[in-house]
Amino acid sequence: SAVISQKPSRDICQRGTSLTIQCQVDSQVTMMFWYRQQPGQSLTLIATANQGSEATYESGFVIDKFPISRPNLTFSTLTVSNMSPEDSSIYLCSVGGTGGTLETQYFGPGTRLLVL
Amino acid sequence: AQKITQTQPGMFVQEKEAVTLDCTYDTSDPSYGLFWYKQPSSGEMIFLIYQGSYDQQNATEGRYSLNFQKARKSANLVISASQLGDSAMYFCAMREAVQGSSNTGKLIFGQGTTLQVKP
Repeated sequence: SAVISQKPSRDICQRGTSLTIQCQVDSQVTMMFWYRQQPGQSLTLIATANQGSEATYESGFVIDKFPISRPNLTFSTLTVSNMSPEDSSIYLCSVGGTGGTLETQYFGPGTRLLVL
Repeated sequence: AQKITQTQPGMFVQEKEAVTLDCTYDTSDPSYGLFWYKQPSSGEMIFLIYQGSYDQQNATEGRYSLNFQKARKSANLVISASQLGDSAMYFCAMREAVQGSSNTGKLIFGQGTTLQVKP
């Protein structure tokens, strides 16, 4: 299985500021994804991070609010911009297709964000 | 539209007993994948088991097995010999398929079931 790390693991931020979350995988992966889990809720896909091109965003999520970078096959960042308390969530990085199989999809440990 | 339904918000089980967590899904795609994840209070999502729509046999991984009933569109997770460490939130998810593509990687999640194992 892939080993995925995220930084920071948690943070408390003031409204109006931005936070960049990093996701590092121990092997090259084709697909990387960013999910959000609001308090007491299930997970929702924010976007697919594409290597070498712009991310693909899901309905309700826009690049200006959640800019994503993916400079190579093992690393991606998600920025939460101009934060408000409604952005308080767990943000999770996910990778699929590890080891050449499409039967797995792993998640990083998550970043717990609290916006005051 | 594709949808995952978990009807049990919370479940209790006695330690060492088996428990079944329900999951039903709705899709018109013939090709799809079903996943179960465990989320302890730490927040991480732990991959438990996968079932492909074309798999003939039910998936098993250690104490976890998936009771896949395709005609009923159900994919229930069975945990045998429950342990205290199994207490967590459990999510069922379906991978969205795209025509002409192997998969999108987008997972659609159910609302989750909180499992508490009693000593």
